[in-house]
Amino acid sequence: DVKVTQSSRYLVKRTGEKVFLECVQDMDHENMFWYRQDPGLGLRLIYFSYDVKMKEKGDIPEGYSVSREKKERFSLILESASTNQTSMYLCASSSPGTGRNQPQHFGDGTRLSIL
Amino acid sequence: AQTVTQSQPEMSVQEAETVTLSCTYDTSESDYYLFWYKQPPSRQMILVIRQEAYKQQNATENRFSVNFQKAAKSFSLKISDSQLGDAAMYFCAYRTPFNDMRFGAGTRLTVKP
Repeated sequence: DVKVTQSSRYLVKRTGEKVFLECVQDMDHENMFWYRQDPGLGLRLIYFSYDVKMKEKGDIPEGYSVSREKKERFSLILESASTNQTSMYLCASSSPGTGRNQPQHFGDGTRLSIL
Repeated sequence: AQTVTQSQPEMSVQEAETVTLSCTYDTSESDYYLFWYKQPPSRQMILVIRQEAYKQQNATENRFSVNFQKAAKSFSLKISDSQLGDAAMYFCAYRTPFNDMRFGAGTRLTVKP
């Protein structure tokens, strides 16, 4: 089974801090994704990556950046955390583009609170 | 832009009964993929069922089946013989040509014993 591991289930940070959320997958997937999940809004895509050192903006990239130095690891960075970034963050990975019927596999999520 | 709409924020069903969750989407593509995901409380999101748009036959996975109406851009999920373990948030999703996904807002399903 695919394993997507997010480094923290719960995280509390302060306004203005630089926050790192880490995600690791063990299936050699090229594609990796970061979403935030908010009640009534579903999942919204922040950034995604098709390969090492590649990144693409999703629907809500403002205030975030990402890093993919190794194929298995995709990091989400909150440059200067703000209270409106309090949310559940989900990481996902999937097989390459030719398999568009391939689902995304999700981690357990990180519930981030910014005080 | 592709959008996915789930018009039912909450649904409830009696154990052993059948429930249908609605999903509509908007796209100009002719070939695409649709998914239903389940997110149990405080647990990982998992795939329930998927449908290829070029297939006319509705997908089925045990007690879960879809009603895919391509012309109407509708993709509903039917859960038969509902079980307590089916209680979860259900998300409908559309996979874009760029391989990212668009998700609906979700439907919270409650199963009553």
